[in-house]
Amino acid sequence: EAEVAQSPRYKITEKSQAVAFWCDPISGHATLYWYRQILGQGPELLVQFQDESVVDDSQLPKDRFSAERLKGVDSTLKIQPAELGDSAMYLCASSLSSLSPLHFGNGTRLTVT
Amino acid sequence: TQLLEQSPQFLSIQEGENLTVYCNSSSVFSSLQWYRQEPGEGPVLLVTVVTGGEVKKLKRLTFQFGDARKDSSLHITAAQPGDTGLYLCAGDLLDSNYQLIWGAGTKLIIKP
Repeated sequence: EAEVAQSPRYKITEKSQAVAFWCDPISGHATLYWYRQILGQGPELLVQFQDESVVDDSQLPKDRFSAERLKGVDSTLKIQPAELGDSAMYLCASSLSSLSPLHFGNGTRLTVT
Repeated sequence: TQLLEQSPQFLSIQEGENLTVYCNSSSVFSSLQWYRQEPGEGPVLLVTVVTGGEVKKLKRLTFQFGDARKDSSLHITAAQPGDTGLYLCAGDLLDSNYQLIWGAGTKLIIKP
């Protein structure tokens, strides 16, 4: 079964450094999501793409976070500079459309020291 | 304030027992999804319910969508250690441009 690929699986970085996460959605999935999840809590949407366009980034801290999906396929989420409070699991998900169920990757566990 | 309240937040029971977890809201949803998440992995979709009063069964798991489409429950019969995980509900708010609202989850531990 096709999967959403994310890398790296784990990232440890010092505060004030830059960090980037990569996601490759399931082939043909037009909608791509980046979520942040704190341990034991539900996912919090950071940004949603429809093809290469951002359709919702209302919860993205734009002073330090950026996301792109230039060719409407894979996507990168960047944090610069990282802060201690950014430590969390960053999950990428994709779906055929915004009406379809989400398929999640296994996430990137970020630790900021 | 959470739009979707899940309860209990945490549940630890013995293998073989039955349990029910809840997902409640004052808002109406077009549909509601249940996911299970194991440690270190992403959530995996279990079921989507779309019709008020709908009941769906997935082996020992029974999902129900409330008549008013404001709440849902997940009942597990004869729980097994493999059912351990974080159970998340996510709802598609009516007239919300398909924005998915997530609950905080119920952490379930089944002890052998």
